[in-house]
Amino acid sequence: AQTVTQSQPEMSVQEAETVTLSCTYDTSENNYYLFWYKQPPSRQMILVIRQEAYKQQNATENRFSVNFQKAAKSFSLKISDSQLGDTAMYFCAFMRGYGGSQGNLIFGKGTKLSVKP
Amino acid sequence: DARVTQTPRHKVTEMGQEVTMRCQPILGHNTVFWYRQTMMQGLELLAYFRNRAPLDDSGMPKDRFSAEMPDATLATLKIQPSEPRDSAVYFCASGSSTGYGYTFGSGTRLTVV
Repeated sequence: AQTVTQSQPEMSVQEAETVTLSCTYDTSENNYYLFWYKQPPSRQMILVIRQEAYKQQNATENRFSVNFQKAAKSFSLKISDSQLGDTAMYFCAFMRGYGGSQGNLIFGKGTKLSVKP
Repeated sequence: DARVTQTPRHKVTEMGQEVTMRCQPILGHNTVFWYRQTMMQGLELLAYFRNRAPLDDSGMPKDRFSAEMPDATLATLKIQPSEPRDSAVYFCASGSSTGYGYTFGSGTRLTVV
C-alpha cells in the first residue's frame, strides 16, 4: 500500500522569504503522479503543482517549484517570495497511474504554513 | 472557470437523521470521488466512480453510508442514520483520465449533534 508522510506539522516564514515543505512517500509502483494541494482557511482544496514520476525535470509553477528525488521517494515543495496569501494547509498527494486513467489520491497529513508580515 | 458544485455548504442535523450531500462534477469529467476530512484522520477516501460505475467504496461504513451517481451530472452521498462521529467536512472531487489531478468542490461541513 502506498503511504505519504509530511513530517512538518507546522511551519512559518517571513513574507518575501523562501520556504521548503517536505514530503516522502512509499510505493512499489513505477508509474505514478505526485501533487501538492493548498487548503486556505476558506477550506477550498487548490491544486498547486503536479509531477509525473517518469519525468526527471522538476515541475515549476510561478513561485512554486518541487524537488523530486525518485530514488529517495522525496517530493518537496519550495515557495519563493512568500506572500501572505500563501498561508494555508499544504497537502502532498500520491496517485497511481494506470496508463491513461487515474487512480485514487492518497494524502499526507498536511503542513500548516503561516506567512508572517 | 469550471467548478465542482457541492450542496449544502453547511449542514447541522440531529443524531439519527438522514443526511444527503450532492455534488455536480465538471462536465466531461468521468471520475468522481468522495473524501472526508477530519482533524484526526485527515483526508480519507470514501468512494469513487468512473463513468458512473462504483470502483471502490472500501473506505465507507457500509451499514450507514451509501454513494450513487444517478447520472453524469449528479453524485450523492447519503448517511442514514447519522451519528456524531460523522461530523466532518465532506469533499467531492472530479477529474478525467489525464493524470492532471482532480478539482475539488468547496465541501460540505456536516455537524451531527
